[in-house]
Parts: sequence; structure tokens; C-alpha cells
Amino acid sequence: DSGVTQTPKHLITATGQRVTLRCSPRSGDLSVYWYQQSLDQGLQFLIQYYNGEERAKGNILERFSAQQFPDLHSELNLSSLELGDSALYFCASSEGGASNQPQHFGDGTRLSIL
Amino acid sequence: AQTVTQSQPEMSVQEAETVTLSCTYDTSESNYYLFWYKQPPSRQMILVIRQEAYKQQNATENRFSVNFQKAAKSFSLKISDSQLGDTAMYFCAFTDYGGATNKLIFGTGTLLAVQP
Repeated sequence: DSGVTQTPKHLITATGQRVTLRCSPRSGDLSVYWYQQSLDQGLQFLIQYYNGEERAKGNILERFSAQQFPDLHSELNLSSLELGDSALYFCASSEGGASNQPQHFGDGTRLSIL
Repeated sequence: AQTVTQSQPEMSVQEAETVTLSCTYDTSESNYYLFWYKQPPSRQMILVIRQEAYKQQNATENRFSVNFQKAAKSFSLKISDSQLGDTAMYFCAFTDYGGATNKLIFGTGTLLAVQP
């Protein structure tokens, strides 16, 4: 158990809809990262937050947004969903934002778009 | 831009034998970190081992060890005494040292099957 909690584990929805994925980091971790794992694109970094502030953006679509709340949990919002958004979405957390601190991954949310 | 390449999509090994998974990367940075993550059928992402680029000594974690060749930009993973539980997808990953973000850049993965 990594200590990172992601909900829900599975999500099935239709094109054009909007969903919210939730992540609770390990106790004490200030950084949260979101990654997308798909057959087409592999594992890609989407966005990072550190102590409530956006730290870095990767290949995140404009239809996607995220935030980190004062209690440090994070949400990833996906809107106007397309078939290609079907993927496994991982959240990871680390103690700080330094590269020598390992990232601990949650079990992921499997998103299926019908 | 940094890239990570894993040229072996699939590999197979007999139980108790040794297998080596390959990874090459490209970067202009001199300081960075390299990782191997394991993703079993349960989908979890599990950190197997990590290497700091400024350390010449190869990292070792029990049956897992790496061969880090900085000049060649190569970072292979050796699994000794393979066990059935080692069956998984293995991802090589890279991150900058001291950059604005420590996002991970992943390779495409190698699917390892350990045969009984």
C-alpha cells in the first residue's frame, strides 16, 4: 500500500460528459502529480501541484484541469470527454518537489468512454 | 527534450534465471535521476530501484541491480533468481535534478513474463 488513495477505481461514462478524479496523497506529502497511461501515448505526465500551487504542466489538454486543495488532496477534472480520453489515470505524491524524493503512486482510476 | 527508450517490448525468462532489461535515454543535463518501476497485472506502479547520475556506483536492491553507463546513456535492469511474482511491465523513467519540476519521463515499457 503506497498510502496514495485514488477514487473512484473505475469510471464509465459517455462522450461529451465531465468527470472528476480524486487523489489523496500520502500523509505529509506536499507534491501531487497526475499521469495518464493509454495504449496510444504510454505513460505521460499531465500536471504537478506543490502545496496548493501549480508547479508544472505537461501534455495536459485544455479540456482537462486540476487543483490541489488546502488539505492537499487533488482533483483532476476532465470535460467534453472523447473516446481517446479512455485511459488509466494515476496520481502520485512526494514529500516535496525535489527530484531526489521518490514518487509514490496510487492504484489509478480506469476511465472508459463509451 | 529528454527521452527514454526501451527497445524490448516483451521478454521471457525461466524461473530462477537472470534477465536484463535495457533502457537508453537522451538528455543534455549532467545531473539527474533514473528509475525502474514495475507494473504488475494489478496495475500498481511500484518503484523497484533508482540511480543518481552523479553516483558512479550501481544501485542494488536485493535481487535487482542496475548497470548505469553514463557516457553511453544506458541504464539496464538485471533481475537475478527470477520469480513468478516478477511477471510485470517494467518502465524505465528519468527526472531532472534540481529542475523546476521533478516530473517523470517514462519509456514505453518492457513486458516481462517469468515462466515456471
